[in-house]
Amino acid sequence: DGGITQSPKYLFRKEGQNVTLSCEQNLNHDAMYWYRQDPGQGLRLIYYSQIVNDFQKGDIAEGYSVSREKKESFPLTVTSAQKNPTAFYLCASRRDDLSYNEQFFGPGTRLTVL
Amino acid sequence: AQSVTQLDSHVSVSEGTPVLLRCNYSSSYSPSLFWYVQHPNKGLQLLLKYTSAATLVKGINGFEAEFKKSETSFHLTKPSAHMSDAAEYFCVASLGGSRTNTDKLIFGTGTRLQVFP
Repeated sequence: DGGITQSPKYLFRKEGQNVTLSCEQNLNHDAMYWYRQDPGQGLRLIYYSQIVNDFQKGDIAEGYSVSREKKESFPLTVTSAQKNPTAFYLCASRRDDLSYNEQFFGPGTRLTVL
Repeated sequence: AQSVTQLDSHVSVSEGTPVLLRCNYSSSYSPSLFWYVQHPNKGLQLLLKYTSAATLVKGINGFEAEFKKSETSFHLTKPSAHMSDAAEYFCVASLGGSRTNTDKLIFGTGTRLQVFP
């Protein structure tokens, strides 16, 4: 089955540590996205990548970094510079065959800073 | 500014009664509009979409939505709620007009639907 996988499902981090969230897709989509979700705020875009070896900042990129070395993988690193990293993180990819932006979402990773 | 507004943060209904979740958009271009559903600690699942074809759109699980350009609305409805419909619902827009506009989605802040027995 085609889809998006994110790991781990739950992640705990001590303050001052960097952590990397995994996102893998086997849909052969070019574009991938990372979102942060906080209660009552909907989804906010962190970074997105439209093609391998290229990515752009979203609305809340500070304290985060990404890489896109392979088409199927788009890992997100939450650095110690992110002041309030506790949140639910969602990865998505975009269908290439449509003129509009329809996205598939992964199951999410819940990050908690202790 | 382009935006999506979900008019209710919480909606409560009894099982078997109709559901109405309201969404308004603001855009200079003709948008594509989506409704996604999210169950607790899960990703978002696409319920239905409007892409400039029929204005009344049918989706999964008995949901439907009507695009009304004059009212800039895209409300989600279901004739009879089930307990399994309890979840968070997001109205989302993909703006038209240029390739740059379609790079990002515009999300509403979500409506939490509670269904009572």
